[in-house]
Amino acid sequence: DQQVKQNSPSLSVQEGRISILNCDYTNSMFDYFLWYKKYPAEGPTFLISISSIKDKNEDGRFTVFLNKSAKHLSLHIVPSQPGDSAVYFCAASEGTGANNLFFGTGTRLTVIP
Amino acid sequence: DTGVSQDPRHKITKRGQNVTFRCDPISEHNRLYWYRQTLGQGPEFLTYFQNEAQLEKSRLLSDRFSAERPKGSFSTLEIQRTEQGDSAMYLCASSLFGVNYGYTFGSGTRLTVV
Repeated sequence: DQQVKQNSPSLSVQEGRISILNCDYTNSMFDYFLWYKKYPAEGPTFLISISSIKDKNEDGRFTVFLNKSAKHLSLHIVPSQPGDSAVYFCAASEGTGANNLFFGTGTRLTVIP
Repeated sequence: DTGVSQDPRHKITKRGQNVTFRCDPISEHNRLYWYRQTLGQGPEFLTYFQNEAQLEKSRLLSDRFSAERPKGSFSTLEIQRTEQGDSAMYLCASSLFGVNYGYTFGSGTRLTVV
């Protein structure tokens, strides 16, 4: 049972435009959410996180939005750069003290120069 | 600090053989995790150590799998009597404070069982 879902396996965006990656979850006990970026032949790299007490968290070009009622979060990258081309995973946990993460299946972002 | 190191990077083994992978976490991290990622899927949690104690195991970790972290430093993951379904990327991660700031993952060991 996939508790974290990323329904778009791929996304292509022009350089300089906004990239929006979406993620849905089913477990209402999830209250901490993270995005990871993965390049080929490397492990996932932590990008940004958000607690359920917030609805937005921003770090430079990256912003994560959380809609708890819809059990939906999204990652916005603006402006998109070719170096952002990677697979992005959404992940969730039950509390910041939890020790296991539930990952989505990933979205491959391609930023076209 | 060289990050999380995993060895080997690739392993091809025949069905029925035993394999062992090693993970060296970031030295000051007391928590160590093993995840498995199959093609087209996200990483799935296998097990977690705090120092040398194995505190949590997923139901994915069948009795053919065993993980150790002697002395709370490096960890090994052994798979006995490998099956083709064990073919996957095995990822190790470490952290200091649980998931709060995300894990630091290694580059993984890709296992192919033929």
